[in-house]
Amino acid sequence: DAGVIQSPRHEVTEMGQEVTLRCKPISGHDYLFWYRQTMMRGLELLIYFNNNVPIDDSGMPEDRFSAKMPNASFSTLKIQPSEPRDSAVYFCATSLVRADTQYFGPGTRLTVL
Amino acid sequence: DQQVKQNSPSLSVQEGRISILNCDYTNSMFDYFLWYKKYPAEGPTFLISISSIKDKNEDGRFTVFLNKSAKHLSLHIVPSQPGDSAVYFCAASADSNYQLIWGAGTKLIIKP
Repeated sequence: DAGVIQSPRHEVTEMGQEVTLRCKPISGHDYLFWYRQTMMRGLELLIYFNNNVPIDDSGMPEDRFSAKMPNASFSTLKIQPSEPRDSAVYFCATSLVRADTQYFGPGTRLTVL
Repeated sequence: DQQVKQNSPSLSVQEGRISILNCDYTNSMFDYFLWYKKYPAEGPTFLISISSIKDKNEDGRFTVFLNKSAKHLSLHIVPSQPGDSAVYFCAASADSNYQLIWGAGTKLIIKP
C-alpha cells in the first residue's frame, strides 16, 4: 500500500479564494482524520470520520471550513473563502480500527497571501 | 485545557548518550499512549506505544515508561543517533473516545 496520499503538497493562493485539499486513505482503514499544524497551536484535530460518516467536527475553526468523505477512498477539506490565518500544514491521517495508531500523509502546506 | 503536556520545546543530546523525552497528562481516563516522530516536511510517524496495563514497553533502542500514579510517561532513546533528530509528539487516547489528544511536541537535536 502506498500509504496515505495527500494532494497537493503545496498550495499558494490569494485571500478570498476557495481551497480544496484532498486525501486518499489507506485501503481498509475505517477512520480518517484531518489535522492542522501551526507554530502557535501545534497539531489540532479538525474533524474525523468513521466509515465515511463525520463523527466530530468540533475542531473545525469556522463555517468557512468543510470536509466530506463521499466514499471510503477519498476525502476533501475545503476552505471557502480562504484567509491568511489559514496558512498552515494540513495533515490527513487514517487508522484501521481503533483511532489510536494513526498513519499520516505527507501534509499539504497551504499559504494564503 | 491541555490534557497532554510536553513541557520541553527542545532538547539537545550528544550522540551516543541517552535521550529522555517527557510527557504529562491530566485525564485519568487515558488508557493508551503513543509516541510519534516527525521529520520536517513529512507527516508524523508512529514510533512506540504503551497500554495503561503496562509500565514499560521496549522496541530496540526505544523504551517508553508509564507512571500512572504520576500521570507521566517518558521516552528513552539509547544510544541516540543523528537520525533521531526530529520532533517527538506524545499522544493519548481513552477507550471511550476514538481520538488522539496530542502534546505540543519536543524537538530533539542530536549533536555529533
